[in-house]
Amino acid sequence: QVQLVQSGAEVKKPGASAKVSCEASGYTFVNYDINWVRQASGQGLEWLGWLNPNTKTTGSPQKFQGRVTISWNTSINTAYMELASLTSDDSAVYFCARGGFYGSGTYPFDVWGQGTKVTVAS
Amino acid sequence: SYVLTQPPSVSVAPGKTATIPCGGDNIGSKSVHWYQQKPGRAPVLVMYYDSDRPSGIPERYSGSKSGNTATLTITRVAAGDEADFYCQVWDSSTDHARVFGGGTKLTVL
Repeated sequence: QVQLVQSGAEVKKPGASAKVSCEASGYTFVNYDINWVRQASGQGLEWLGWLNPNTKTTGSPQKFQGRVTISWNTSINTAYMELASLTSDDSAVYFCARGGFYGSGTYPFDVWGQGTKVTVAS
Repeated sequence: SYVLTQPPSVSVAPGKTATIPCGGDNIGSKSVHWYQQKPGRAPVLVMYYDSDRPSGIPERYSGSKSGNTATLTITRVAAGDEADFYCQVWDSSTDHARVFGGGTKLTVL
């Protein structure tokens, strides 16, 4: 079946970076975007960015530009999201989600990873 | 940047109908998706392209749009429907942003 499996929880110190992986299976990896979304405890969903593995393009909202790096390895159907210069405000559960069939921005997030908890603490 | 507005909470008695609104400027020109999230779980898509229901989602769930508001409607609400619900659109004019509403907590009384 179609699924996204994420890497395990991480604890980081302020100023460090966190890198989360998202392994896709059950579908053709390059045919869909991968999006990254985070959720702080008790808060709503916040979009961090996307990648289109077919056109090899990525994007993120201005708030995260320069701090978020989205990458991928097509040979192992895996996407990565790295967030740099961590502060306590970055403590959250980070999700990957499939979207953008053939790059369509209107396509919904139809499959989600299980989430990866990142805790930033000194 | 584009903003989607949802009420923080909606309460409904079992067996009644819940309506969850999502307001946004010119939302009629955008495709609206809805996600249900239960505590400790990843979100689940429950409505896409305004009013299409994914397989496995009960027919009690429906979506609509009118004016500047999209609405998720759940009829014959049961305890198992209690969750947070988020609307989402694609804003093509701002960094191809995917935008979420703030979320609505549905409480079944």
